[in-house]
Amino acid sequence: AQSVTQPDIHITVSEGASLELRCNYSYGATPYLFWYVQSPGQGLQLLLKYFSGDTLVQGIKGFEAEFKRSQSSFNLRKPSVHWSDAAEYFCAVGAGSAGNQFYFGTGTSLTVIP
Amino acid sequence: NAGVTQTPKFQVLKTGQSMTLQCAQDMNHEYMSWYRQDPGMGLRLIHYSVGAGITDQGEVPNGYNVSRSTTEDFPLRLLSAAPSQTSVYFCASRGLAVETQYFGPGTRLLVL
Repeated sequence: AQSVTQPDIHITVSEGASLELRCNYSYGATPYLFWYVQSPGQGLQLLLKYFSGDTLVQGIKGFEAEFKRSQSSFNLRKPSVHWSDAAEYFCAVGAGSAGNQFYFGTGTSLTVIP
Repeated sequence: NAGVTQTPKFQVLKTGQSMTLQCAQDMNHEYMSWYRQDPGMGLRLIHYSVGAGITDQGEVPNGYNVSRSTTEDFPLRLLSAAPSQTSVYFCASRGLAVETQYFGPGTRLLVL
């Protein structure tokens, strides 16, 4: 069965520090991979996605993620965190025919301290 | 474009009551889906549809019904609400090719 694991429930970083949020997936074929961000009381906004090709993908707000097939990982990174990055981050896998079913991780809550 | 809209924004129900959560999109997307979000559980897929007249179950379908009579609308029905259905519900849509999935603002449901 498909699954997505985000091992860090909560992360705290200082403003200006680098950030890496971990995501591991379980899927038998090449997955479609996504990172979403959710601010409090809001819906989900797509940060970036990977379908194929270059394994390092760039997203909005200065985020990037790297697909590593050997490690079944799709970690999200940002070189310098801003206070406005404080939010909940979700990794997701698109599975099935044309990725019709999406599976989300349980999320990582990011706190940014000044 | 309004994108994906959901109504109501907030609803309180008593156990056993029924209600319909509305979802509409104006992007002519074939694929629409419903998720519920619970603390520590992330988002879980309830039902999805790949076009008018076609629906299928997701990860947690029990207690929920859906139908897709038009491309634009994808209502979620709770026939007999239970406290376990207290959650935040998100509707989403996208084109059939795996591309950006657009989410609605959510409906907060409290079942007493």
